[in-house]
Amino acid sequence: AQSVTQLDSHVSVSEGTPVLLRCNYSSSYSPSLFWYVQHPNKGLQLLLKYTSAATLVKGINGFEAEFKKSETSFHLTKPSAHMSDAAEYFCVVSAMEYGNKLVFGAGTILRVKS
Amino acid sequence: EAQVTQNPRYLITVTGKKLTVTCSQNMNHEYMSWYRQDPGLGLRQIYYSMNVEVTDKGDVPEGYKVSRKEKRNFPLILESPSPNQTSLYFCASRYTGLGTEAFFGQGTRLTVV
Repeated sequence: AQSVTQLDSHVSVSEGTPVLLRCNYSSSYSPSLFWYVQHPNKGLQLLLKYTSAATLVKGINGFEAEFKKSETSFHLTKPSAHMSDAAEYFCVVSAMEYGNKLVFGAGTILRVKS
Repeated sequence: EAQVTQNPRYLITVTGKKLTVTCSQNMNHEYMSWYRQDPGLGLRQIYYSMNVEVTDKGDVPEGYKVSRKEKRNFPLILESPSPNQTSLYFCASRYTGLGTEAFFGQGTRLTVV
């Protein structure tokens, strides 16, 4: 099974509407999970991370994600999209079975329409 | 400012001409790694290093070499580049251990013709 699956390769929303980027992970142990954002021609920037503390994690720029162990999911949400949110988003897992490696999902490209 | 610096940002080269992409970090991180990013495939790890003089293969190491002679530097070497190595490359560093976040360089866009 894929270690990290981002369920949508592209998501398109209108400015001011909610954003939902979906991520499922595979891990037999307690994983650490991250969301990174990549704006065009830029490096990757950490949005937020989960490391076994509160299951609802708040990140930068109004994003948040909820760790749901029963669903093996870590979906990223934002109540109201802004044009500047247009970027590619990566869900990343770190877990004992992957050693010291970060395992990346394939990415979701978010388009925000005016 | 804490950062990972890669150079060059853009590079066009010809098949077979050896090249090096440099990477340097100023955060005293033990762990450094190289990734390549291709559309629809996310980031795939090429090589990683857990400390000075300790390197190991990632998921796609063929055609690449690395070295870690100093803690802060982790160059990526392509001894004989081929067109299938045309890609966007990222260097990253972090502390060793689960749950530690990685810091990324700005990327190097390499084209091999």
